[in-house]
Amino acid sequence: GAVVSQHPSWVICKSGTSVKIECRSLDFQATTMFWYRQFPKQSLMLMATSNEGSKATYEQGVEKDKFLINHASLTLSTLTVTSAHPEDSSFYICSTFSDEISSYNSPLHFGNGTRLTVT
Amino acid sequence: DQQVKQNSPSLSVQEGRISILNCDYTNSMFDYFLWYKKYPAEGPTFLISISSIKDKNEDGRFTVFLNKSAKHLSLHIVPSQPGDSAVYFCAARGYSGNTPLVFGKGTRLSVIA
Repeated sequence: GAVVSQHPSWVICKSGTSVKIECRSLDFQATTMFWYRQFPKQSLMLMATSNEGSKATYEQGVEKDKFLINHASLTLSTLTVTSAHPEDSSFYICSTFSDEISSYNSPLHFGNGTRLTVT
Repeated sequence: DQQVKQNSPSLSVQEGRISILNCDYTNSMFDYFLWYKKYPAEGPTFLISISSIKDKNEDGRFTVFLNKSAKHLSLHIVPSQPGDSAVYFCAARGYSGNTPLVFGKGTRLSVIA
């Protein structure tokens, strides 16, 4: 069964509004979560690394003020797309692994993703 | 600069035959490699992985081969089944705690009945 739950699975919003995406680890604690974005026919691109209790680390070219990440607990990270524009339309996916398993040989588990469409 | 490359965007194979998906990487610091399968509008699902100390890892119909000197890995699926039709992503990371994965662009596999 799923080990990472992501909501919503799809959302349509108007330009200028904000959208919050939640990512929850099920049955395990996750200090670190990763947020990826995928454009059509492209690879999954890492946006940011979310760490519980500290500020997220953003990849080059990703605006931290636009993509707000909050990792307030060991099982929940949220990504808020602020003042969304049509070019933010994409597929957003979170991923993580259990704190209890060595991260070296453990695969990342992914949520089912959120399809964001900004009109 | 793409560190993980999947040069074939698509591949068609007949049911029952072998599917071979290829992946090349440029970063010599990578030492853990994974294959994920992805359906549209879903997150990637982990398939199989291999660490750099091995050259082969097998799990049922799936085998991953690693050639470190060539910085190349491949995923073999045999026999291929129609349900294997999906996009397959190659991913890699180096040995450092809590590191994210770097993905290739994916190869769309179509298994024809």
